[in-house]
Amino acid sequence: KAGVTQTPRYLIKTRGQQVTLSCSPISGHRSVSWYQQTPGQGLQFLFEYFSETQRNKGNFPGRFSGRQFSNSRSEMNVSTLELGDSALYLCASSGGRDPTNSPLHFGNGTRLTVT
Amino acid sequence: DAKTTQPNSMESNEEEPVHLPCNHSTISGTDYIHWYRQLPSQGPEYVIHGLTSNVNNRMASLAIAEDRKSSTLILHRATLRDAAVYYCILTDAGGTSYGKLTFGQGTILTVHP
Repeated sequence: KAGVTQTPRYLIKTRGQQVTLSCSPISGHRSVSWYQQTPGQGLQFLFEYFSETQRNKGNFPGRFSGRQFSNSRSEMNVSTLELGDSALYLCASSGGRDPTNSPLHFGNGTRLTVT
Repeated sequence: DAKTTQPNSMESNEEEPVHLPCNHSTISGTDYIHWYRQLPSQGPEYVIHGLTSNVNNRMASLAIAEDRKSSTLILHRATLRDAAVYYCILTDAGGTSYGKLTFGQGTILTVHP
């Protein structure tokens, strides 16, 4: 089985722009979660989707949004980019309806640099 | 979320067993104990999880104290590829924290040849 695929791997954007990151979960997985990883804050939860519905959201401003498609693929969008948004963005999928009792399978992330 | 405490770093020699401790004194009865690890330049990788009983899989063993206030991840024979940051995380099964893992600082494991 192919793992979680995130595209692109690297991205450089300018302050004020917006960006869209893509995630393809493991085949058959319906839960997709997004995380932000920075040296200062570590790994922080952004949001989780299941069957195209957002079920959980972390403490991030409204500039961070996401969606999930009927094939379980997911995108996250960050608008009006700030320098502090520079981070590794990780996507994870889970095969269980309740991912708190199922392993999360992470991709290798998209490295976003905002200049 | 219940909090976990791990040592900042540990060292081991190759082919020796490694015992990584985790304290979670405020764990509730429905909290699962998960372990993930993150190798350099990669996303976190699931290692193992359990509720009350000890668990084994091809990667590691999880030993859970009888009172569940602590647990230990056991790597039976460390290899250089096991050098990573190891995270001990609690999740409330059946709660509403869908998809949310609360990562702490973890334990940096160094494996010496």
